[in-house]
Amino acid sequence: TQLLEQSPQFLSIQEGENLTVYCNSSSVFSSLQWYRQEPGEGPVLLVTVVTGGEVKKLKRLTFQFGDARKDSSLHITAAQPGDTGLYLCAGSNIIQGAQKLVFGQGTRLTINP
Amino acid sequence: NAGVTQTPKFQVLKTGQSMTLQCAQDMNHEYMSWYRQDPGMGLRLIHYSVGAGITDQGEVPNGYNVSRSTTEDFPLRLLSAAPSQTSVYFCASSYSKYGGRSTDTQYFGPGTRLTVL
Repeated sequence: TQLLEQSPQFLSIQEGENLTVYCNSSSVFSSLQWYRQEPGEGPVLLVTVVTGGEVKKLKRLTFQFGDARKDSSLHITAAQPGDTGLYLCAGSNIIQGAQKLVFGQGTRLTINP
Repeated sequence: NAGVTQTPKFQVLKTGQSMTLQCAQDMNHEYMSWYRQDPGMGLRLIHYSVGAGITDQGEVPNGYNVSRSTTEDFPLRLLSAAPSQTSVYFCASSYSKYGGRSTDTQYFGPGTRLTVL
């Protein structure tokens, strides 16, 4: 069974601070996806990283895929209250001809004004 | 497009009751799936379907049945509800022609919050 360990599970910081969320596994994934989930809604895809060592930026969010494609990180610069939410990483593979996602436990991020 | 829709939004059942959670998508997606989300455990795959008439089990299939008679609909049936099935259930879909790619985007519905007493 593939597992993804996401840390920290809870993070509460002040507006303007920087933060990093980690996603680690002993398994190799073909790609790694990051989702954001608002209360009462389903997750929404933020980014997909595919190549080992790949870095993608989405405004103040920087996503990195580990060289061995077993881990990933999400770094937020100058966090804002609008960044508050649940962030989920998901490892993706094709198994038995279909995409299978393995989700981390999630990081509940609160940015205080 | 409405995207992925789920009904009901909330449901309370008694142990042993049965019910069906509805999921529909209007994006002509081949791949549909059901997840449950529990505190501290992320989302876990229950069942999935790569096209009409084809379904398969995910990580936590016990106690749940699915069928896929049309491309648009993918209902999840609880045959005899148990308190351990108290959770938030999400349906998702993706284009994923011919089984899909690992980079495919999953589009999630708004979820059904189920409580089993």
